[in-house]
Amino acid sequence: KQEVTQIPAALSVPEGENLVLNCSFTDSAIYNLQWFRQDPGKGLTSLLLIQSSQREQTSGRLNASLDKSSGRSTLYIAASQPGDSATYLCAVRDAGGTSYGKLTFGQGTILTVHP
Amino acid sequence: DGGITQSPKYLFRKEGQNVTLSCEQNLNHDAMYWYRQDPGQGLRLIYYSQIVNDFQKGDIAEGYSVSREKKESFPLTVTSAQKNPTAFYLCASSIPGGYTFGSGTRLTVV
Repeated sequence: KQEVTQIPAALSVPEGENLVLNCSFTDSAIYNLQWFRQDPGKGLTSLLLIQSSQREQTSGRLNASLDKSSGRSTLYIAASQPGDSATYLCAVRDAGGTSYGKLTFGQGTILTVHP
Repeated sequence: DGGITQSPKYLFRKEGQNVTLSCEQNLNHDAMYWYRQDPGQGLRLIYYSQIVNDFQKGDIAEGYSVSREKKESFPLTVTSAQKNPTAFYLCASSIPGGYTFGSGTRLTVV
């Protein structure tokens, strides 16, 4: 059974810092990995999607890397801003079965960026 | 704009009542999902459907039921058999390129 772990559980940083969020998964046979952002009381917003054949994806100040063999992904946020404060969730889709497979989520990292 | 619409945003249920949460998508996605989110427990899969008129139980299906009569719609019924239904419920749809989530329904038992 796939298990996803995110470290740290919470992170508080001053504005302007570069930071790294970590995600690890136990079964390397994944179809893809997706990073989401969730604001309090809201739904999930997709940030980056990395296919199993890819090493990294970038969008603006965000960069996500994937090392499938070691079961790890990192989300790098450059020049953090107070508006980045949210919960960040990592989720993996297993490769078995159809490509419409379910996601397994980590517990999330709660990020606070203070001015 | 394409997306997923969940309604209502807030829902209150009395003991012993069944309630239905609505989920509609106009993304033309085949697969749809229901997740439950509790504080400190992350998201857990309740039910999912890959095509119309077909659905499968997820990890925590007991006390819930679904239907998939149309591609666009995947309603979730929380039955009286669900002993602890207070939670945040999220609907999603997917293609191989990734998932899209709705804005959620917060259900509270009163």
